[in-house]
Amino acid sequence: SQQGEEDPQALSIQEGENATMNCSYKTSINNLQWYRQNSGRGLVHLILIRSNEREKHSGRLRVTLDTSKKSSSLLITASRAADTASYFCATDPGFYSGGGADGLTFGKGTHLIIQP
Amino acid sequence: DTEVTQTPKHLVMGMTNKKSLKCEQHMGHRAMYWYKQKAKKPPELMFVYSYEKLSINESVPSRFSPECPNSSLLNLHLHALQPEDSALYLCASSQGGYGGSPLHFGNGTRLTVT
Repeated sequence: SQQGEEDPQALSIQEGENATMNCSYKTSINNLQWYRQNSGRGLVHLILIRSNEREKHSGRLRVTLDTSKKSSSLLITASRAADTASYFCATDPGFYSGGGADGLTFGKGTHLIIQP
Repeated sequence: DTEVTQTPKHLVMGMTNKKSLKCEQHMGHRAMYWYKQKAKKPPELMFVYSYEKLSINESVPSRFSPECPNSSLLNLHLHALQPEDSALYLCASSQGGYGGSPLHFGNGTRLTVT
């Protein structure tokens, strides 16, 4: 079943601009994660934000989490052509489903194209 | 390159064939996962193994049979598949446990059922 819904579904910007993607989810979570997937390849973990955190940074990435609105955003600053990929948010029920390894539920994803 | 290795990279099989997908990790992770991904769709969870025991089966048809021979290996046995089972099959591993941890994905096996 789908948990996260990304917005927008597709985004095309010029190199150097900032890209913002949003994710909404429905149930309580332990943490929320963002992944990148280049065409036909496996997913690469970008950042994990726990339910008690509001903002997290990693290099050019900034993630926010608003548990009251059940939403998260991913900001990529100073975009590069190599950032062209699909980006997925994924929710981890963790503690709320009994803990242990529960597996992540992925949203529909945002396809980001960076124009050189 | 990823630390999770999946073989084969591509597989074409008929509906009466039996084949297996293999996944290996040497990061000492105790949780391993199978996901299925159709084109332009998100990955969908199929199975979760935690400490070599099947902990989650997301109502997957019995023509898919997972196996975890040891903490480093994960297999997915395929039998009597349908054309709609054609997809990218992704294996992942994580440290598991409470608190959550990132998943490390392999590059997948591209399966075509004819």
